[in-house]
Amino acid sequence: AQKVTQAQTEISVVEKEDVTLDCVYETRDTTYYLFWYKQPPSGELVFLIRRNSFDEQNEISGRYSWNFQKSTSSFNFTITASQVVDSAVYFCALSGGATNKLIFGTGTLLAVQP
Amino acid sequence: KAGVTQTPRYLIKTRGQQVTLSCSPISGHRSVSWYQQTPGQGLQFLFEYFSETQRNKGNFPGRFSGRQFSNSRSEMNVSTLELGDSALYLCASSAGRVGDGYTFGSGTRLTVV
Repeated sequence: AQKVTQAQTEISVVEKEDVTLDCVYETRDTTYYLFWYKQPPSGELVFLIRRNSFDEQNEISGRYSWNFQKSTSSFNFTITASQVVDSAVYFCALSGGATNKLIFGTGTLLAVQP
Repeated sequence: KAGVTQTPRYLIKTRGQQVTLSCSPISGHRSVSWYQQTPGQGLQFLFEYFSETQRNKGNFPGRFSGRQFSNSRSEMNVSTLELGDSALYLCASSAGRVGDGYTFGSGTRLTVV
């Protein structure tokens, strides 16, 4: 069975602090895809990144970076120098096998205080 | 290019009624998926349509149904509404290949009273 665990329910930081959101996944598929989405109060899920199971290279995009480690089944997300606009719920998701169905974690609410 | 459009944005219905939600995917996208988001259950997959055919289905009762039209627009219907159906319903579109990321709409907030 596929499962995504985001153990951190809520994180509160002060602006300019670095913060890491954890994501641990379970799957028996050899080919799978991992995603991060951001959900601001407006409700829309905003796509941040997709990685496939064969590409373990870490990625950096501006203040965002992602660390994918198959050995620990983790796909963690770091925001450097956080800003108030980063406040949102962040979801990690998994799809695998022959389906595009996304399995979401329970989300992490990030509150960045000014 | 235009994003995923969901209508209506908000809806209030009475128990026992039925409701139809609409989703227009990104132009060229042939896959439309629906998700239900509630505080208790989180984000759960309802179903996926690809080229007018249901390709995947989640674990929801038969009161939840959907369809996709030839222009890829999709509708989902919930019959005999229950209080527990109150949720944010999100539609997502993709090109349809395995591993494609989804672009989500802003959702329809359904309240059942």
